[in-house]
Amino acid sequence: GQQVMQIPQYQHVQEGEDFTTYCNSSTTLSNIQWYKQRPGGHPVFLIQLVKSGEVKKQKRLTFQFGEAKKNSSLHITATQTTDVGTYFCAGPDSSASKIIFGSGTRLSIRP
Amino acid sequence: NAGVTQTPKFRVLKTGQSMTLLCAQDMNHEYMYWYRQDPGMGLRLIHYSVGEGTTAKGEVPDGYNVSRLKKQNFLLGLESAAPSQTSVYFCASSKRTSASTDTQYFGPGTRLTVL
Repeated sequence: GQQVMQIPQYQHVQEGEDFTTYCNSSTTLSNIQWYKQRPGGHPVFLIQLVKSGEVKKQKRLTFQFGEAKKNSSLHITATQTTDVGTYFCAGPDSSASKIIFGSGTRLSIRP
Repeated sequence: NAGVTQTPKFRVLKTGQSMTLLCAQDMNHEYMYWYRQDPGMGLRLIHYSVGEGTTAKGEVPDGYNVSRLKKQNFLLGLESAAPSQTSVYFCASSKRTSASTDTQYFGPGTRLTVL
């Protein structure tokens, strides 16, 4: 079946360092979505990418959607303690009635 | 707008007991979902609904039942709870679009422990 894979599973960085998580789908996606879940919280939508090769920025966060629309990345520049949490990518399944979540990348930060 | 709310926030059950988790949304969304999240793990889809009166199985439906009698509510039932169902349960909703699946809005979660 359709799968969405994310790497790495965990990343521990020094505050101020950059962070990147990668997302790969087994099938071409019509869009890719990114969510953030703070420790003890619920997933919160960050952004949606639709176009091949699309790049979007939210302050220190840069999101990319691959040319083939099968992969995506989230890059955080100069991490801060507020960036701690788990980042999930997600893409619609073939029926478009639900989305498939990646396994997530948990980011922890040393102050 | 309250968004997506879930009741209860916490619950402890004994093995074999039953319970119902309630999810309510006030955004007039067509689609609603139930996920479970085990410690340090991702989200696994239990059941979902694409409209009032319709439900479908997700990735891990066994041991759970759902109902969507009203558009704004989505109920998740555990008929005979097992320790393996100890988890955090999230409800989510999204609106229907002509193009593709829209973004999901999550509730705060229900932390369930089965002893």
